[in-house]
Amino acid sequence: NAGVTQTPKFQVLKTGQSMTLQCAQDMNHNSMYWYRQDPGMGLRLIYYSASEGTTDKGEVPNGYNVSRLNKREFSLRLESAAPSQTSVYFCASSVGSGGWNEQFFGPGTRLTVL
Amino acid sequence: GENVEQHPSTLSVQEGDSAVIKCTYSDSASNYFPWYKQELGKRPQLIIDIRSNVGEKKDQRIAVTLNKTAKHFSLHITETQPEDSAVYFCAASTRGTYKYIFGTGTRLKVLA
Repeated sequence: NAGVTQTPKFQVLKTGQSMTLQCAQDMNHNSMYWYRQDPGMGLRLIYYSASEGTTDKGEVPNGYNVSRLNKREFSLRLESAAPSQTSVYFCASSVGSGGWNEQFFGPGTRLTVL
Repeated sequence: GENVEQHPSTLSVQEGDSAVIKCTYSDSASNYFPWYKQELGKRPQLIIDIRSNVGEKKDQRIAVTLNKTAKHFSLHITETQPEDSAVYFCAASTRGTYKYIFGTGTRLKVLA
């Protein structure tokens, strides 16, 4: 099993460009999450999907959109990138409620917005 | 809002000594407390977790204690080794929800 995979690993964008970060899991997990990690601020939840067909905002959703394409895949879209979105982005998944179960993380995407 | 405070932000110990990292949470409904280890450039990985129906849990050199009254929990690493060097994150969450609230992390350095 590959676990949680993310593409791309690195990306450089110019201000105003758009891009989609891809995430997939092969553990048959119901719930999936997108976090951003900034120095000194830990991991902050952007959006999550409790189950296929549902998505909800986390702590820092502004400037992002998500799509739960199917049970395996959960994508994060930046419509008009800003320098403040420079960060490392992690996707995660859990078998059920992430509030009571281990979340498994992907390897991350390092995004730089110039 | 909900928040988790984590201290210290950096911690250096000699190999073989113990390390303790402390977290305090604000939401009294929190009942699940995982700890994640993140090595440089890698993904966070769960090392131990505790649920509110127990006060302590051990796994070899790692232990976590929980004081629900005071709303704080701690990670204890004994007999530290160089491979314990990493950033450690605590988190708090509530059963039935989907949100972890993470602490800001502790960079542990084990000096050989």
